[in-house]
Amino acid sequence: GAVVSQHPSWVICKSGTSVKIECRSLDFQATTMFWYRQFPKQSLMLMATSNEGSKATYEQGVEKDKFLINHASLTLSTLTVTSAHPEDSSFYICSARFEDMNTEAFFGQGTRLTVV
Amino acid sequence: AQRVTQPEKLLSVFKGAPVELKCNYSYSGSPELFWYVQYSRQRLQLLLRHISRESIKGFTADLNKGETSFHLKKPFAQEEDSAMYYCALPHTGFQKLVFGTGTRLLVSP
Repeated sequence: GAVVSQHPSWVICKSGTSVKIECRSLDFQATTMFWYRQFPKQSLMLMATSNEGSKATYEQGVEKDKFLINHASLTLSTLTVTSAHPEDSSFYICSARFEDMNTEAFFGQGTRLTVV
Repeated sequence: AQRVTQPEKLLSVFKGAPVELKCNYSYSGSPELFWYVQYSRQRLQLLLRHISRESIKGFTADLNKGETSFHLKKPFAQEEDSAMYYCALPHTGFQKLVFGTGTRLLVSP
């Protein structure tokens, strides 16, 4: 299947700093990518849908100024957690799908963010 | 609105026992449903999808439109089946997937 790669796999940062997470589709062009947040032993919570060349669509309750999403190319989307706080510590997962709605989604390996 | 319900947070069975992970959905139209699996320390991956009607790792799932269900079944559970299982369907008009809350399957020896 198609491969989605996230970088970094884990990151530790100090409170107040910003962290950027990259999501790349390695062998296909993804016009749409998705960012999820997963708390320990819980389901995935969709944060936003990232469309290439346009603004991301955020889910209700997700602060767009806090979680900046950029989808500059068909193979790269970035999530920047700005002014991170300990409560932002979580597992962030990106996903990409082909244009056909009925195809599967491919997931990145996730990024564990710890804010100290 | 589209919704996926997985009523069980945890399902614990012994090796060799039958397994059924429940999934109910609400959707206007004909849904395309998926089961995703997340093994320990691995990424989420597709297990099977309704449209392909295939059996993967011994698992099957049948879409029951009358009961709006897409339960995942396996006749004889194996220890390596222990994982988190998520049922999902596409959101109408969008490409995003709506996930259920997941069921943790624990298969004991």
